[in-house]
Amino acid sequence: EAGVTQFPSHSVIEKGQTVTLRCDPISGHDNLYWYRRVMGKEIKFLLHFVKESKQDESGMPNNRFLAERTGGTYSTLKVQPAELEDSGVYFCASSLSGGRSGELFFGEGSRLTVL
Amino acid sequence: GNSVTQMEGPVTLSEEAFLTINCTYTATGYPSLFWYVQYPGEGLQLLLKATKADDKGSNKGFEATYRKETTSFHLEKGSVQVSDSAVYFCASWMDSSYKLIFGSGTRLLVRP
Repeated sequence: EAGVTQFPSHSVIEKGQTVTLRCDPISGHDNLYWYRRVMGKEIKFLLHFVKESKQDESGMPNNRFLAERTGGTYSTLKVQPAELEDSGVYFCASSLSGGRSGELFFGEGSRLTVL
Repeated sequence: GNSVTQMEGPVTLSEEAFLTINCTYTATGYPSLFWYVQYPGEGLQLLLKATKADDKGSNKGFEATYRKETTSFHLEKGSVQVSDSAVYFCASWMDSSYKLIFGSGTRLLVRP
């Protein structure tokens, strides 16, 4: 069974440009999460989808970030326009509905570098 | 609010040394507690968990005990191996919020 996959693994862009990160969760997982780790600090929650609906987006830093999950399958996270402080590693995770709480399956992360 | 604090790294040990990585939490209720590990070039993966006070989670020789009185969930291993070199994250989960709250991570480097 394929795990959570994320694209790209690394993206280098200039300030003001746009980047779109993609996450393909494990098939059948209704819950999809986005997290971010900046500069070796804690991994911070960004948002949570249940199927195609945003269950909790309290961690989204500002309106430059837009997450979508059309059709309840893969998800995209767009940063537009990117700023220097957006640099970090963006993790996606998925889990089953009714699955064991807290047991999330993570992708390898997408490293974003904004110059 | 809920938060997790863990010791800063890096922690550098020789092979077969004893490992402790401290983790404490704050929560308005009784969270489930987790240790996740990220090996080089891989995603985070669950290492062990405990869902209530005095529970002990264990896996791959690692152990952690949920201590309500000290709000702690310290990770221990009696004899580390080079292959244990990774970044370790302590995390808490509240069913009321349905999300993991992570600590800042502790990098472990084990030398032969």
